[in-house]
Amino acid sequence: DARVTQTPRHKVTEMGQEVTMRCQPILGHNTVFWYRQTMMQGLELLAYFRNRAPLDDSGMPKDRFSAEMPDATLATLKIQPSEPRDSAVYFCASGQGATAGELFFGEGSRLTVL
Amino acid sequence: KQEVTQIPAALSVPEGENLVLNCSFTDSAIYNLQWFRQDPGKGLTSLLLIQSSQREQTSGRLNASLDKSSGRSTLYIAASQPGDSATYLCAVNSGGYQKVTFGTGTKLQVIP
Repeated sequence: DARVTQTPRHKVTEMGQEVTMRCQPILGHNTVFWYRQTMMQGLELLAYFRNRAPLDDSGMPKDRFSAEMPDATLATLKIQPSEPRDSAVYFCASGQGATAGELFFGEGSRLTVL
Repeated sequence: KQEVTQIPAALSVPEGENLVLNCSFTDSAIYNLQWFRQDPGKGLTSLLLIQSSQREQTSGRLNASLDKSSGRSTLYIAASQPGDSATYLCAVNSGGYQKVTFGTGTKLQVIP
């Protein structure tokens, strides 16, 4: 059963703490995305990678967010320090192809920053 | 800048009805359009992907059409069931993965 796996599913933390979210893309997919979903903004693209190389992270606040792909089976999104406005659901998605393949989403990581 | 609109924001229908969900986009130069469903507290589940060269795609009770010239796509659900209750989103790819624009969704409730 090929699917995108994300951990943790839920995270509650206090302002100022470091948060790391992890994603295992579908095996064989070469493109990985991080999205954030809020009621106000809907789905926003934070960053994406192709063949583990970052291609676009313009949607990400650079001072506190960082995204990496240490290997083809793991993508991470880190927030340091976290702030209450970071509270949202963070989705990882993966796909194949250079520009326009089908996107497959994980179940999301719901982050609450107190 | 691509803008994607889904109207209505919410829809309630009795079980068994056929229904149509709408997705409108402002820039007709697209690569593809993808329909998703999202259940509460869950991720987005891909339903159908229509390439720019296609007019429609079908999967089971679902049929999605694409009219680029008018900037519209519709998702037709036949014989709706309570299990179809979810939020349906369309996503328009206007030039690469960094240019995928999501609509705000239509929340569908199918009443038994």
